[in-house]
Amino acid sequence: LAKTTQPISMDSYEGQEVNITCSHNNIATNDYITWYQQFPSQGPRFIIQGYKTKVTNEVASLFIPADRKSSTLSLPRVSLSDTAVYYCLVGAVHTSGTYKYIFGTGTRLKVLA
Amino acid sequence: NAGVTQTPKFQVLKTGQSMTLQCAQDMNHEYMSWYRQDPGMGLRLIHYSVGAGITDQGEVPNGYNVSRSTTEDFPLRLLSAAPSQTSVYFCASSYQGSGWGTDTQYFGPGTRLTVL
Repeated sequence: LAKTTQPISMDSYEGQEVNITCSHNNIATNDYITWYQQFPSQGPRFIIQGYKTKVTNEVASLFIPADRKSSTLSLPRVSLSDTAVYYCLVGAVHTSGTYKYIFGTGTRLKVLA
Repeated sequence: NAGVTQTPKFQVLKTGQSMTLQCAQDMNHEYMSWYRQDPGMGLRLIHYSVGAGITDQGEVPNGYNVSRSTTEDFPLRLLSAAPSQTSVYFCASSYQGSGWGTDTQYFGPGTRLTVL
């Protein structure tokens, strides 16, 4: 498993760009990087996924350097509604012919007015 | 599609009681899993299933049982509830992919369980 390390929490102000970095030094060649967003009292939901370089969708951008040992989720011009926990998930744990997804502790983003 | 549904939304149990948390999905996903989330903490994997009749343990399986008799349903049973099992429980499902992280996990709304 490519163990991930993220900051525990971050504060930002409305209108700012927020970058959350995830470290995954032991990422495997085939592993994809996926970010999930969890609002209070809700289940996590998929935001973005990538393998290398840059991926952008209507919600966020994901930057992955050539060595793939880290990735950065970028949220442009955040609003109060972006207050949530953000999880970086890299690959899966493969055991006995199957696999399982292990989430880390995530980054708690608080957007201030 | 209703996606992933969980019942009940809230439950209060007394220590020693047993109960079953229900999870169902209508997306024909083979892969299903259960997570628990304690206050202010991340998600911890309890059990998972790669298809009907196949289940396996996650990070924190003690005190919980699962079975998978159909593709759609994946119930989680608490055998003898303890206060340490007070938590929010999330069920998730996805397609059975390669296991390299390409499979999007779809989560249910959660069940908030309190054990007194």
